[in-house]
Amino acid sequence: AQSVTQLDSQVPVFEEAPVELRCNYSSSVSVYLFWYVQYPNQGLQLLLKYLSGSTLVKGINGFEAEFNKSQTSFHLRKPSVHISDTAEYFCAVSPTRGFGNEKLTFGTGTRLTIIP
Amino acid sequence: DTGVSQNPRHKITKRGQNVTFRCDPISEHNRLYWYRQTLGQGPEFLTYFQNEAQLEKSRLLSDRFSAERPKGSFSTLEIQRTEQGDSAMYLCASSRPLTSGGHTDTQYFGPGTRLTVL
Repeated sequence: AQSVTQLDSQVPVFEEAPVELRCNYSSSVSVYLFWYVQYPNQGLQLLLKYLSGSTLVKGINGFEAEFNKSQTSFHLRKPSVHISDTAEYFCAVSPTRGFGNEKLTFGTGTRLTIIP
Repeated sequence: DTGVSQNPRHKITKRGQNVTFRCDPISEHNRLYWYRQTLGQGPEFLTYFQNEAQLEKSRLLSDRFSAERPKGSFSTLEIQRTEQGDSAMYLCASSRPLTSGGHTDTQYFGPGTRLTVL
């Protein structure tokens, strides 16, 4: 089984400041990693994903994340945030193979609030 | 692609009533997933289909819940004898067939159906 921990439930950041949203996971098997964003009253939208290869992954809207296998982390970063980045951010994992490898396991989310 | 659509967007019902939600996936996506999201939590997997076959069901899916995808296109999720604990956002997602490399493909989510049980 897999689990995902997002320690920061809320992160307030001033506009144009950098931000890092933390994600740690636990799994007995290899996993793929994902970050999704959820704007108010909307579904989830994929920001970026790590499947294999380079551990630094670039996504949409200027976000990037780095996979660290030894620390079982996949932290999300953006060098300069905008008001429009205000949203809930979810980290998720799925096994790379085997029965149930399509199932996403999500963290509890981090609410990012941008302060003008 | 027009995206994943879900209807209704909001549903308010009284405890004990039955409700049914519909999900229309992106065309040609053969996999369809249902998740439930309660306040302050991330989505939790309920079940998924490959074409019309229901391949996995979570233990969260009690006997009061049933999902179907009769023709391998749209899907319905029915909850019988609703309880207040069923109040949540029900999310549907779809994905394309797996690539030959076995990579799990991106799941595209709909806007969800928010259920409130009074």
